[in-house]
Amino acid sequence: EVQLVESGGGIVQPGGSLRLSCAASGFTFSIFWMHWVRQSPGKGLEWVSLIYGDGSDARYADSVKGRFTISRDNAKNTVYLEMNSLRDEDTGVYYCARVASSENLGFAFWGQGALVTVSS
Amino acid sequence: ELVLTQSPDTLSLSPGERATLSCRASQSVNAKYIAWYQQKPGQAPRLLISGAFSRATGIPDRFSGSGSGTDFTLTISKLEPEDFALYYCQQHERSFAFGQGTRLDIK
Repeated sequence: EVQLVESGGGIVQPGGSLRLSCAASGFTFSIFWMHWVRQSPGKGLEWVSLIYGDGSDARYADSVKGRFTISRDNAKNTVYLEMNSLRDEDTGVYYCARVASSENLGFAFWGQGALVTVSS
Repeated sequence: ELVLTQSPDTLSLSPGERATLSCRASQSVNAKYIAWYQQKPGQAPRLLISGAFSRATGIPDRFSGSGSGTDFTLTISKLEPEDFALYYCQQHERSFAFGQGTRLDIK
């Protein structure tokens, strides 16, 4: 059974940093792209970042480019999101997600989410 | 930037009725890159439809997807009580943008 478990959320002041982790199990982690998606309170879904299976490439939404860094450790079956220079508008629930397959890029598997609150 | 606009923002219907949710793209999108998700309060989204037409594993056949070019539709043929939720479309041809969502409420 595919499982994704996020951790590392919390309360941080504007300008601060936080690192989220997503521990994966139940599948061959290294062959799948992994994504982060966030949802601000009462708002819709916003794609944040993706990383290739081997970690060779990563992409970011314009809203986080230059501030967030995605990485992965395939030996630990874990993907990370390092978030720096945090702003109020970065507040929300952060989900990690896995695509269904290499041919089907719909986000078939999601974690339960990690809450990040940016507030002074 | 490819933007997805969903309509209506809120749809109020009764159980047993048919729901039609729209997703319009600002540029033409290959249908194989369109997905639909359902989200209930306090839960992560659930993949319903991928490739515009294909139901994900375990999704009942009352859910169907259609469309091409810039206009895509999610249809729920006969609403069950558990179908009242938020629905999002997504494109993953150019980046992975979501639409703003349609809330399906019980009338």
